Formats: sequence, C-alpha cells, structure tokens
Amino acid sequence: GAVVSQHPSWVICKSGTSVKIECRSLDFQATTMFWYRQFPKQSLMLMATSNEGSKATYEQGVEKDKFLINHASLTLSTLTVTSAHPEDSSFYICSARAPNSKGETQYFGPGTRLLVL
Amino acid sequence: SQQGEEDPQALSIQEGENATMNCSYKTSINNLQWYRQNSGRGLVHLILIRSNEREKHSGRLRVTLDTSKKSSSLLITASRAADTASYFCATVVRGGSYIPTFGRGTSLIVHP
Repeated sequence: GAVVSQHPSWVICKSGTSVKIECRSLDFQATTMFWYRQFPKQSLMLMATSNEGSKATYEQGVEKDKFLINHASLTLSTLTVTSAHPEDSSFYICSARAPNSKGETQYFGPGTRLLVL
Repeated sequence: SQQGEEDPQALSIQEGENATMNCSYKTSINNLQWYRQNSGRGLVHLILIRSNEREKHSGRLRVTLDTSKKSSSLLITASRAADTASYFCATVVRGGSYIPTFGRGTSLIVHP
C-alpha cells in the first residue's frame, strides 16, 4: 500500500521556538494532504487541508498564523508551529488522499510527537 | 461536534475471544471507515463500508452498518495479543468533501 512518512518522529523544543514537521508521500503523488492533532486518549482533530500549489484551508478555531502549512510539491507538505508554547504539545499526524480512490481513502503518516518545554 | 462515537471506550479481553466495538453517528453518511492505531503511532486503514452496504469482511474483521440506526460495529474474531490497539471509526458525510471525521476511539487490550 501507499506510504506516507513524517519527519521528525519526535521533537522537544523550548517555548518560543518554531518547529517544522514534514509529511511526504513516498510512492504516490498527493494533491491533497491533511494535518491532524491528537491529544492523549483523544480523537484526531482535523487542523487543515493542504492543497498543492494553493493556500491551506484551516478548520474553525485553528490559527493559520500559528500553524503555517506549505504544500510546495505533490509529495511534500510541511507544518510549522510558530512560537511554540507548552499547550502546543501534542501528537501531529498527516495524511494523504490516496490516488484513484475517489477521495475515499487516506494514508496516514506515523505521527510526530511535539513536546514544548 | 464529533460525528462518530465509539462504544465502549475501553475493552479488555483474553486472547482467543471476540471483540466487538460499536460506532454511532448523527447525520447521513457516504461511507464509514474503521482505523487502527497502535500506541503513539499513525493510523492504519482497516475497512471502508459504504452507505449502501450492510456488511464487509476482511480476514478476522467483520464490519456491519445499520443506516436506520446510524450505527456500525467492528468485530474482531479470535483476538490476538497483537490486536491490542485503539480503534477509531470515521465517517464521511454525504455531500461533503470526503474528509473523514473521527470518533474518540475504543482502546482494546488483548491479554495473552
């Protein structure tokens, strides 16, 4: 099946710094990627939809200036958490819409655990 | 609000037993999907069932869908310790943008 990777798998940073997370589709081109965050024992909450070559669509309540998304190519989307604070600590997961699936199936990355001290 | 809600929140069984998890949702769906997540890892797609389907099988997994009750169930037969994970249902709303909405998940522990 299709493979989606994320880098880094975990990151610890100081409050106030910015952190960039990469999401790559390794063996297919993904015109649409999604970014989710997940708190412990909670559901995945969609943050934004990332479209190649255009601006991301953010869900209500998600600060677009705080969570910068760039989808510069068909295989790479990045999420930058700017001026991170402890409340941004979470598990961030990306997914990519599978090709030829009529948009029904997504492949998920392994996630990035962010801890802001 | 979340579209899908799983029940129970946690399930603990012995290896070899069957595990049944339920998912209820609120609005009309295009399809419903079940995912598995090992602790601290990404999600793995298990099964997709469309609104006009009532039952699907994949190996030891059996998914049913009752659109009149707006509910779905995931049955894992002859469970194994390796089935220990969280299981999420995700609904894709009819007429929407094909973005699934996830429930809170059921945490399954299978004791060897």
